[in-house]
Amino acid sequence: SAVISQKPSRDICQRGTSLTIQCQVDSQVTMMFWYRQQPGQSLTLIATANQGSEATYESGFVIDKFPISRPNLTFSTLTVSNMSPEDSSIYLCSVIRGINTEAFFGQGTRLTVV
Amino acid sequence: GENVEQHPSTLSVQEGDSAVIKCTYSDSASNYFPWYKQELGKRPQLIIDIRSNVGEKKDQRIAVTLNKTAKHFSLHITETQPEDSAVYFCAACAGGTSYGKLTFGQGTILTVHP
Repeated sequence: SAVISQKPSRDICQRGTSLTIQCQVDSQVTMMFWYRQQPGQSLTLIATANQGSEATYESGFVIDKFPISRPNLTFSTLTVSNMSPEDSSIYLCSVIRGINTEAFFGQGTRLTVV
Repeated sequence: GENVEQHPSTLSVQEGDSAVIKCTYSDSASNYFPWYKQELGKRPQLIIDIRSNVGEKKDQRIAVTLNKTAKHFSLHITETQPEDSAVYFCAACAGGTSYGKLTFGQGTILTVHP
């Protein structure tokens, strides 16, 4: 398994502001991803965090709204920019250690935008 | 892209009964199918997974079956216990450059009554 630390665990933010979420893993991983889980819903992939290059975004998600960094093989950040109440969700990072291994999730960041 | 349909959305059973959750997927390139259990306020936890080169996998009270021809896979929980109560998500993932990108089903709320 992987020990994944996500910060903050929860936050309440004003609309129009931005929040940066951090994901730290205890050892190097091959792949890191960011998911969104809207209230009472399933998980949706936002993007793949690529080490040393721009993230790869899924349909419906854009870099201006969700900028992502991954400076090394153990750390990534997701920023939720210019927030609105519709951005209220749980944001989760996920990691894969190596090819053909399972995905593990961080504990999530519960974001409420007021 | 991949689309995963999961049924039922809610499932209520008596302790000791069996529970079955079914998923279908659309992308024939998908070759990895994990199941996650998510308790209230917690992160998704992998409970079992199956790859496309096998038709069935068991782990104690939990089993998963896969029918690649029909693009269908199922989770079977026998001798259910109250602590099995949670939301269960199926997911599908293709290989190659899409490895690790999970497409989730809508989730099943399982309630096991003592």
